[in-house]
Amino acid sequence: AQSVSQHNHHVILSEAASLELGCNYSYGGTVNLFWYVQYPGQHLQLLLKYFSGDPLVKGIKGFEAEFIKSKFSFNLRKPSVQWSDTAEYFCAVTWDYGQNFVFGPGTRLSVLP
Amino acid sequence: EADIYQTPRYLVIGTGKKITLECSQTMGHDKMYWYQQDPGMELHLIHYSYGVNSTEKGDLSSESTVSRIRTEHFPLTLESARPSHTSQYLCASSTQGARTEAFFGQGTRLTVV
Repeated sequence: AQSVSQHNHHVILSEAASLELGCNYSYGGTVNLFWYVQYPGQHLQLLLKYFSGDPLVKGIKGFEAEFIKSKFSFNLRKPSVQWSDTAEYFCAVTWDYGQNFVFGPGTRLSVLP
Repeated sequence: EADIYQTPRYLVIGTGKKITLECSQTMGHDKMYWYQQDPGMELHLIHYSYGVNSTEKGDLSSESTVSRIRTEHFPLTLESARPSHTSQYLCASSTQGARTEAFFGQGTRLTVV
């Protein structure tokens, strides 16, 4: 079965620090990559997605992610985090042969004011 | 703002009761999903549907059942609730294919006492 892993279970940063959250997926052919965010008490929202083309994708709220095919990775980055970025972040993958979304275990981000 | 709605948001119910969690979407999406998510844990796919009269079991075994009589409606039923069913249940929808994002509802937090 295909799988998605996320490197960190819980990340704690101070405001203005830079953020990088790791995501790796198992090989299975052409992939489509997503980062979702879940703010406390809210529904999962899409931050950004990659289907093809430029491997550096920009999303909402200043987030970006880089697809590195050779490393099976899709890391999420933000140059300067804010307290409002405190949330749970999920990496998700679909494979072009039609499997459903596979989600990583999530990374909880806590940003200290 | 995603147009996918789940009711109730919170439910506390006694062991042995039958419950139905409601999920509706107004986006005309063919594909719908139910995920189970324990606090701080990954999402597990328990059911999905490709369209009307289609229901499939997901990766995580579940004692729940689903139906899809109308495109917009995908209810999940537990015939006899048990404490082990205590969890958060997330409904999502998407268009067909792998190159599509999923839209999530707010979730139903179920507690079985």
